[in-house]
Amino acid sequence: GESVGLHLPTLSVQEGDNSIINCAYSNSASDYFIWYKQESGKGPQFIIDIRSNMDKRQGQRVTVLLNKTVKHLSLQIAATQPGDSAVYFCAEIYSGGGADGLTFGKGTHLIIQP
Amino acid sequence: DSGVTQTPKHLITATGQRVTLRCSPRSGDLSVYWYQQSLDQGLQFLIQYYNGEERAKGNILERFSAQQFPDLHSELNLSSLELGDSALYFCASSVSGRPPYEQYFGPGTRLTVT
Repeated sequence: GESVGLHLPTLSVQEGDNSIINCAYSNSASDYFIWYKQESGKGPQFIIDIRSNMDKRQGQRVTVLLNKTVKHLSLQIAATQPGDSAVYFCAEIYSGGGADGLTFGKGTHLIIQP
Repeated sequence: DSGVTQTPKHLITATGQRVTLRCSPRSGDLSVYWYQQSLDQGLQFLIQYYNGEERAKGNILERFSAQQFPDLHSELNLSSLELGDSALYFCASSVSGRPPYEQYFGPGTRLTVT
């Protein structure tokens, strides 16, 4: 079946560096993508979203890039801080599919080195 | 704090039993979603309710059922529990269930089946 997946299970970066978390999706019909952050013991927290008619969207210290040609999504976090340590999930949805549940990837654990 | 509350926080029960998980959405949100998070399956969408009506079904087992009440709180009922049902169960809510799909997640209920 079609699913959203992540390239790396763990990403370790130095504090202050930029982080790039990647995601590959397989459902070419998906038209909405979201990044979530999940800290230990908490529920996922919305970070940023992007529609399929966009290539890039910027938020506060975060940027999401969408490459529909290769079905690739990335999350860039600028000047990574200790509070950014978490598991990051990408999620997709096809708004014309009749179901509003998100399809999540398996997550990337971002570790911040001091 | 997302504004979504879930009770109980932890639940330990035996195989074959039945449990009920409760969720109160954010004030004003009409749509409630249930997700299951396990180590092997990741975050999986189970079911969605919108304003009291079932809207969409995901990977929900027949042993599981849910409902949304007039006050918009929701309950997820899990019956004939098996060891493999041990997982984190999250409830999420959103304003309408239509784009944008920003869903706010509760802190989760950790279910352990022994």
